Amino acid sequence: GEDVEQSLFLSVREGDSSVINCTYTDSSSTYLYWYKQEPGAGLQLLTYIFSNMDMKQDQRLTVLLNKKDKHLSLRIADTQTGDSAIYFCAESPGASNTGKLIFGQGTTLQVKP
Amino acid sequence: SAVISQKPSRDICQRGTSLTIQCQVDSQVTMMFWYRQQPGQSLTLIATANQGSEATYESGFVIDKFPISRPNLTFSTLTVSNLSPEDSSIYLCSVDAGTGNTIYFGEGSWLTVV
Repeated sequence: GEDVEQSLFLSVREGDSSVINCTYTDSSSTYLYWYKQEPGAGLQLLTYIFSNMDMKQDQRLTVLLNKKDKHLSLRIADTQTGDSAIYFCAESPGASNTGKLIFGQGTTLQVKP
Repeated sequence: SAVISQKPSRDICQRGTSLTIQCQVDSQVTMMFWYRQQPGQSLTLIATANQGSEATYESGFVIDKFPISRPNLTFSTLTVSNLSPEDSSIYLCSVDAGTGNTIYFGEGSWLTVV
């Protein structure tokens, strides 16, 4: 079945780049997403990438997609303390986008001043 | 984007009772979904709320425990019935904003069962 895996924890220094990695199993996934969850809050949509793209950049965020290896990454440039949060990777499984998402376990990003 | 409001934002309930969570969207959306996030865990899809018909439940979730209403294209409710401490979770509503690829979430409803 569908599965999404992420490393659980990442610690970086303020000003460094952060790279959060994700692997997924459904090769027919149409869209892949990154969400941010701050303590006590819901999920904020950060960015998404269509499966026929290999890169998407949005300000400090860069998403890389290796469809062959089913590997997705989120790079945050110039990481700030306000970026400390849990980051979830999610896939929309299947060839038609139903709106349902399968989530990874979440990566806790700790940014040290 | 879509603005999604959930009520209540937090609640503490006695075991054996039920809680109904409301989800209101600021625009008409075709697809609405309910997710559960157990403490320290990821999100799991409970069901798709279908307008004008019964919800579609994922494996492991049943209508008797999680009845869902979807009376129109901007509103849905999720009821968690016969509460037990294991139901203590965050319940989140999500919508597909209509472009087919932007999926937004509400702030969540934090339920503690005592």
